[in-house]
Amino acid sequence: GDSVTQTEGQVALSEEDFLTIHCNYSASGYPALFWYVQYPGEGPQFLFRASRDKEKGSSRGFEATYDKGTTSFHLRKASVQESDSAVYYCALGDQVTGNYKYVFGAGTRLKVIA
Amino acid sequence: GALVYQYPRRTICKSGTSMRMECQAVGFQATSVAWYRQSPQKTFELIALSTVNSAIKYEQNFTQEKFPISHPNLSFSSMTVLNAYLEDRGLYLCGARDEGQANSDYTFGSGTRLLVI
Repeated sequence: GDSVTQTEGQVALSEEDFLTIHCNYSASGYPALFWYVQYPGEGPQFLFRASRDKEKGSSRGFEATYDKGTTSFHLRKASVQESDSAVYYCALGDQVTGNYKYVFGAGTRLKVIA
Repeated sequence: GALVYQYPRRTICKSGTSMRMECQAVGFQATSVAWYRQSPQKTFELIALSTVNSAIKYEQNFTQEKFPISHPNLSFSSMTVLNAYLEDRGLYLCGARDEGQANSDYTFGSGTRLLVI
């Protein structure tokens, strides 16, 4: 079945550091790809999406480019802030046996130290 | 805009009792509703997908007998956790979308956090 792999379980950075969180996917179809952010005690918030090869999604300084060749959708930010500390989830949306469903990665906990 | 409200936000139930949670879609037609569970320190697992006027499809490891779902109209869905035990604690997330809109995404609520004591 479809799956999403996030390589990093936890990332610790200092403010103004460059962020990369790796996301690779496996899907039977041509999925849409998403990034969500979750703060403590809350549900996941939509960051952005991309639905075709080479499309770039972005929001709040975060960005990721859909790469069908490497089946990746890595999250990047040029300069992180302490307020970016949260758990980040990569997800795909795919039609499976007639139903459109999301599959989430395991999540990456980002800790930014001031 | 499209919004999804879930209530209660947090709830505590005694082991062996049941808990019902609700999901309300505002600003769009929720033809399809997905219920997820996030156990502590884990990711979001799909419990079931519900489409109005169609059978509810449960994922492996989740059953209607344990997680009965109701989806009676285009704005509302509910799910009950029957005979809740410690392993059922976590954040229950409802996502809804309008299948009639091309390329529509799921809009998620903030979740219902279930604590079992």
